[in-house]
Amino acid sequence: GESVGLHLPTLSVQEGDNSIINCAYSNSASDYFIWYKQESGKGPQFIIDIRSNMDKRQGQRVTVLLNKTVKHLSLQIAATQPGDSAVYFCAELYYNQGGKLIFGQGTELSVKP
Amino acid sequence: GAGVSQSPSNKVTEKGKDVELRCDPISGHTALYWYRQRLGQGLEFLIYFQGNSAPDKSGLPSDRFSAERTGESVSTLTIQRTQQEDSAVYLCASSPQLNIQYFGAGTRLSVL
Repeated sequence: GESVGLHLPTLSVQEGDNSIINCAYSNSASDYFIWYKQESGKGPQFIIDIRSNMDKRQGQRVTVLLNKTVKHLSLQIAATQPGDSAVYFCAELYYNQGGKLIFGQGTELSVKP
Repeated sequence: GAGVSQSPSNKVTEKGKDVELRCDPISGHTALYWYRQRLGQGLEFLIYFQGNSAPDKSGLPSDRFSAERTGESVSTLTIQRTQQEDSAVYLCASSPQLNIQYFGAGTRLSVL
């Protein structure tokens, strides 16, 4: 069935360090993978996406890596800041199903000053 | 508008009552999505609209759940005869063309 899961439920890092959040998925049919950030009491906020035919994409301080061989996705955050503290979700987007998103369980990132 | 707006932000109801949750999408966004998020969990897809048509209702948990949308504007999610298991945050998102979804802050529903 469709499922997107995460390896670690919590991650604690020191301010200034790099963070790596991992995600495993089971369905190979998705068109895009997307990372969302959710702060307490707010809706998810788009961070970065990657097409299924790419293996790397960089944004501002963030990089997403996609390894389709092992069905693994990661989000790297450079020079992590206290404002990065949130729950991070990976999600699969299905164009042929109206753009439906299938979300993973989430990783809570805590940044220590 | 500036973003996706949902109301109410919090709703407390008694078991067995009906509730209506409202979503105002970003103006011009043709696609609208409803998700449910239980405490400490990821988001669970419920239904999506393309315009006022709902091609995919597969995520609705039971026939107590229904949704409608007026044109390419406001949508309401209705839960009839609420149960305690319906307690969750209900999130709405809109999208201009089946790619990035912009989420509202959600409605926190508590069924006593």
